[in-house]
Parts: sequence; C-alpha cells; structure tokens
Amino acid sequence: GESVGLHLPTLSVQEGDNSIINCAYSNSASDYFIWYKQESGKGPQFIIDIRSNMDKRQGQRVTVLLNKTVKHLSLQIAATQPGDSAVYFCADTGGGADGLTFGKGTHLIIQP
Amino acid sequence: DAGVTQSPTHLIKTRGQQVTLRCSPKSGHDTVSWYQQALGQGPQFIFQYYEEEERQRGNFPDRFSGHQFPNYSSELNVNALLLGDSALYLCASNIGQTYQETQYFGPGTRLLVL
Repeated sequence: GESVGLHLPTLSVQEGDNSIINCAYSNSASDYFIWYKQESGKGPQFIIDIRSNMDKRQGQRVTVLLNKTVKHLSLQIAATQPGDSAVYFCADTGGGADGLTFGKGTHLIIQP
Repeated sequence: DAGVTQSPTHLIKTRGQQVTLRCSPKSGHDTVSWYQQALGQGPQFIFQYYEEEERQRGNFPDRFSGHQFPNYSSELNVNALLLGDSALYLCASNIGQTYQETQYFGPGTRLLVL
C-alpha cells in the first residue's frame, strides 16, 4: 500500500491567507520528502524538499515542516495567491534514487 | 535549459494493442523514472532506469517494460492494453550517480484505452 497519504482531499482558503496542507507517512525508513504542485493538465512541479535530518526548511513563500515522531509532514504557503490553486502532493522515498511514493493529493482552492 | 519532455501528448488505443511512450530527461540528468497517474490519484511508480538498466520496479505487471538509450532518453512500452491502463503517464528525471534524489517531471502522456 501507499506509505504516504494526505488528510484532506480539498482545502479552501481566502486569497491572502496562509494555507497549511498536511501529510502523514507510514514508512519509518523514509528519509527524503518532497512536495509537488500539479496544475490541471500538467505534470507535477517541484516545490520544496526536506531530508529526515531536518525539522524545517523554508523557500520562497513556502515552508515544509517534518515531525518524525508522529510521521507528519506539512506544507505552509504564505499569502496564498490565485496562482497557488492546484493539487498538492507529498511524496517520500527510502533514499538513494528510489522511486517516489505519492499520496492522493490535496486540492487547494483559492477564494477571492 | 531544457526540462523533461515527453511524446506524444495524447494517445488513443484499443484493448489488446501495444503502445510506446517516449521521454527525454532534463539536461544533465541520467536517470529516468516512469509513473502512472489515474484520474484523481497520485502518481504510482512503475520503474526506474539508470545506465540503460532497470534499477528499481514498482508493483506493475510484466506487460509494462522499458528501455533507456545511451543518450539517457527512455521508452515505456505497454503490451496487451487493458481499459484500466487509461491514465496519465509521467516521466521524471534526476541525477542518479550522485544520488540527487529530486525528480523533475515532464508534462505527461495521456493514454486512453477504448
């Protein structure tokens, strides 16, 4: 089965608010985690990644938090914009160059 | 800097036929992975090619096979197509030798099996 899953299929937020998308994983051996954004009709686009030896990593308007104790991963998007509307997937791998295991995704909807 | 490219963009086949999908990796990448994404689902890992050999395989039947060429491009072949093979097929590339895990995806090939 899947080692990575998401808690909510849809998340609706107001434009300008912060968004938090959550993910749970089950494989204790996973040591590399990635968030992807997928817009309709396109392939997944890399957003940010984090390794298991880190708890937090920040990018431009995005932050990923990793809690290894409860096997939880989250993506925070600051000041959400209409262009952020997409399906967001978390994925994990056991390391090296293994294939990624994806969750089902969370559809982020931006309300004007 | 060219990203991952895939061809064709769309394809329609009938049950029992065979199909070949193509992928060119991002410039400088030597490892190619293939994924199947059913509608409303996350991508499922099919297999990965490095140094022209299949390095890892997901839970897919032998009807799914692949190839990697010396220029690192890759093909995905599916034989005896079933209706359930209808999906978006994604190719991703990364630098395998140095274990740069970050995989970058192409736009996908949408396959419809009738």
